[in-house]
Amino acid sequence: DARVTQTPRHKVTEMGQEVTMRCQPILGHNTVFWYRQTMMQGLELLAYFRNRAPLDDSGMPKDRFSAEMPDATLATLKIQPSEPRDSAVYFCASGLVRDGVSAVNEKLFFGSGTQLSVL
Amino acid sequence: KNEVEQSPQNLTAQEEEFITINCSYSVGISALHWLQQHPGGGIVSLFMLSSGKKKHGRLIATINIQEKHSSLHITASHPRDSAVYICAVYTDKLIFGTGTRLQVFP
Repeated sequence: DARVTQTPRHKVTEMGQEVTMRCQPILGHNTVFWYRQTMMQGLELLAYFRNRAPLDDSGMPKDRFSAEMPDATLATLKIQPSEPRDSAVYFCASGLVRDGVSAVNEKLFFGSGTQLSVL
Repeated sequence: KNEVEQSPQNLTAQEEEFITINCSYSVGISALHWLQQHPGGGIVSLFMLSSGKKKHGRLIATINIQEKHSSLHITASHPRDSAVYICAVYTDKLIFGTGTRLQVFP
């Protein structure tokens, strides 16, 4: 079965350290999302890409977060420096947009998430 | 006020009960997703709707674009349906509802 792969599954780090999370979208999907989930805020969109180009990263704290797609098989989310308030589960999802204007008209596929704890 | 509202927030049911979860939104959308998140965190996309109704097994999802409302129905509920169900609307990005926590008891 095709699946979205996220690594690492768990990460514990100290405040101030750099954290890199990776996502391998499903082959052929042209849209990749990064989300964060916390108990307080629920699911929040951080950034998303279409055909590797960033379309929206307004949900990310720009001073410390960065998201990239160096190639079609890899998306990365970096936090530098990390802070305790960044502790959350970070999900990647991929999908296929056939209509170039707006709709994701296929199901989204989610990775298993990276559980990040910043001490 | 959230752009996507779900009700109820929590729902308990006995096995075999018919369940309805509602989602209302206030923005113009091009599609709506229903997601399921089991304890342990994995998220699965159940449906993507832009109009009408879709059915998959015991799950039925409907959407009324004019009323900006969608419902997710579960027929003959089962304890394995216990999960958080999340409605998400697609504008130029996905906006999530806060989720409905469903517990189905035997």
